[in-house]
Amino acid sequence: KQEVTQIPAALSVPEGENLVLNCSFTDSAIYNLQWFRQDPGKGLTSLLLIQSSQREQTSGRLNASLDKSSGRSTLYIAASQPGDSATYLCAVSATSGTYKYIFGTGTRLKVLA
Amino acid sequence: NAGVTQTPKFRVLKTGQSMTLLCAQDMNHEYMYWYRQDPGMGLRLIHYSVGEGTTAKGEVPDGYNVSRLKKQNFLLGLESAAPSQTSVYFCASSSVYGYTFGSGTRLTVV
Repeated sequence: KQEVTQIPAALSVPEGENLVLNCSFTDSAIYNLQWFRQDPGKGLTSLLLIQSSQREQTSGRLNASLDKSSGRSTLYIAASQPGDSATYLCAVSATSGTYKYIFGTGTRLKVLA
Repeated sequence: NAGVTQTPKFRVLKTGQSMTLLCAQDMNHEYMYWYRQDPGMGLRLIHYSVGEGTTAKGEVPDGYNVSRLKKQNFLLGLESAAPSQTSVYFCASSSVYGYTFGSGTRLTVV
């Protein structure tokens, strides 16, 4: 059974710092991996989607990498800002055609001004 | 740009009552999903649909039923609510380009 783990559960950093969030999964036979952001009391917003054949994706200050063989993904946030404060979740899809995701429990990030 | 709309946003039910949560999407997506989110447990898939008229069980389907009579709508029903169903429920739809989530329904069963 696929399990997705995110460490640390919470992180507090000063504004301007570059940071890395980690995601690991137990079954490397994934179809794709997606990173989401969730603000308190809100739904999830998709940040980056990495297909299994890709190694990384970039959007603005965000860069996500994928290493299927080791079962790991990282989300790199450059020059963090207070507006980046949120919970970040990664999710993996193990089956093509249905896009069902298994979610990690998230990393709660707080960027201090 | 509505995306995925969930109604209601909040609801309090008594044990044994029934209710239906409505999810509507305007992106013409084939795939739709219902997840629940509980503290410390992440999001877990309840039921999903790969197209109009189809439904399938996810990881935690017991106590829930779903219907997808129209492509744009995906309904989640609780026939006899239990306190263990207190949770935040999220609907999502997807294409090959990823997921779009609704803003959630906070359900409390007392």
